[in-house]
Amino acid sequence: GESVGLHLPTLSVQEGDNSIINCAYSNSASDYFIWYKQESGKGPQFIIDIRSNMDKRQGQRVTVLLNKTVKHLSLQIAATQPGDSAVYFCAEVVSGGYQKVTFGTGTKLQVIP
Amino acid sequence: DGGITQSPKYLFRKEGQNVTLSCEQNLNHDAMYWYRQDPGQGLRLIYYSQIVNDFQKGDIAEGYSVSREKKESFPLTVTSAQKNPTAFYLCASSMWKSADTQYFGPGTRLTVL
Repeated sequence: GESVGLHLPTLSVQEGDNSIINCAYSNSASDYFIWYKQESGKGPQFIIDIRSNMDKRQGQRVTVLLNKTVKHLSLQIAATQPGDSAVYFCAEVVSGGYQKVTFGTGTKLQVIP
Repeated sequence: DGGITQSPKYLFRKEGQNVTLSCEQNLNHDAMYWYRQDPGQGLRLIYYSQIVNDFQKGDIAEGYSVSREKKESFPLTVTSAQKNPTAFYLCASSMWKSADTQYFGPGTRLTVL
């Protein structure tokens, strides 16, 4: 069956360092992938997405890498700031008559000042 | 000020009581969704609606009911049949057939006493 999971439930990084959050998926039919940021007690916010025909996509301070060979994607945050502290989770999207979105469990990022 | 609103933010309910969670959007989105979020688990789809007066069961619809009488509103009723209703509930909306681009509300935390 399909599954989307994260390797590490909690990640602690020093302010100013780079953060890498990983995600594994198992559905080869996924069209693309989305990363969300969720602050405590709030709804998820879209960060960045990547289509399955791409290997890398960059945004502002964030980069997503997709390795289809091993069904793995990662979110890299450059120069991590205290405001980056949140739960990050990935989602995979399979297109069809209705787009099926499967969400991962999340990794909590703690930024140490 | 466009967006999705959910009310109330916190809700307490006694066992055996039905309770309705509100979700309103002024983004002119066609589709709306309800998710349940539990610790250590990804978002799970309860119900979704792609157009007014139509809705479909998601992965965990048992014990829940919805209505979609207006485009802007998609209330969720948690019935007494839901065995474990304590959770964080998230509402989202998107353009028609664009589940990949969902905007989330701030969530409602339901606690059953």
